[in-house]
Amino acid sequence: QVQLVESGGGVVQPGRSLRLSCAASGFSFSSYGMNWVRQAPGKGLEWVSVIWYDGSNKNYADSVKGRFTISRDNSKNTLYLQMNSLRAEDTAVYYCARGGQAGDFWGQGTLVTVTS
Amino acid sequence: SYELTQPPSVSVSPGQTARITCSGDALPKQYAYWYQQKPGQAPVLVIYKDFERPSGIPERFSGSSSGTTVTLTISGVQAEDEADYYCQSADSSGSYWMFGGGTKLTVL
Repeated sequence: QVQLVESGGGVVQPGRSLRLSCAASGFSFSSYGMNWVRQAPGKGLEWVSVIWYDGSNKNYADSVKGRFTISRDNSKNTLYLQMNSLRAEDTAVYYCARGGQAGDFWGQGTLVTVTS
Repeated sequence: SYELTQPPSVSVSPGQTARITCSGDALPKQYAYWYQQKPGQAPVLVIYKDFERPSGIPERFSGSSSGTTVTLTISGVQAEDEADYYCQSADSSGSYWMFGGGTKLTVL
């Protein structure tokens, strides 16, 4: 069955960096676009970034552009999100989601807390 | 980019029909998707491409589209349907997603 497992979250100070991972299994990872979506505590869903199935195209929300980098390793069935220059407003649960136009499967999320 | 607008809350009694709307100027051109999210859980896709239902989603969930508004309808609402519901759309190339603000469905 399809599984997406995020890891790498934690507590970090403003201005520092963190790298999230999303390990995929149960499907042909290299055939699917992948996304990161976040949800601040008590708030709605916010799309963060997308990467095409082969890594040839990437896009970012304006709120993270220039600070976050999405990547993937299809040989390891793993999606990444490198987050630099973190801010308090980046505090959220970060989900990885499979799909191009929409997320048909989501991981359980990993919590990132940015605080001094 | 553009916005998707949902009502913050909808309340219904068990067995009744709940309708949650989502409005956006691009919806006549782009598909809409609906997610259910229960507290502490990841979102689950319940409707895709305006009205298609993924396998495993109960038949009481349905979707429709009219002009700039799409609607998620839950017929015969059950207590377990109490959750937050989000609409979502994407640009034609799948280069970005946008979400509605979410609607909290309360089953009275």
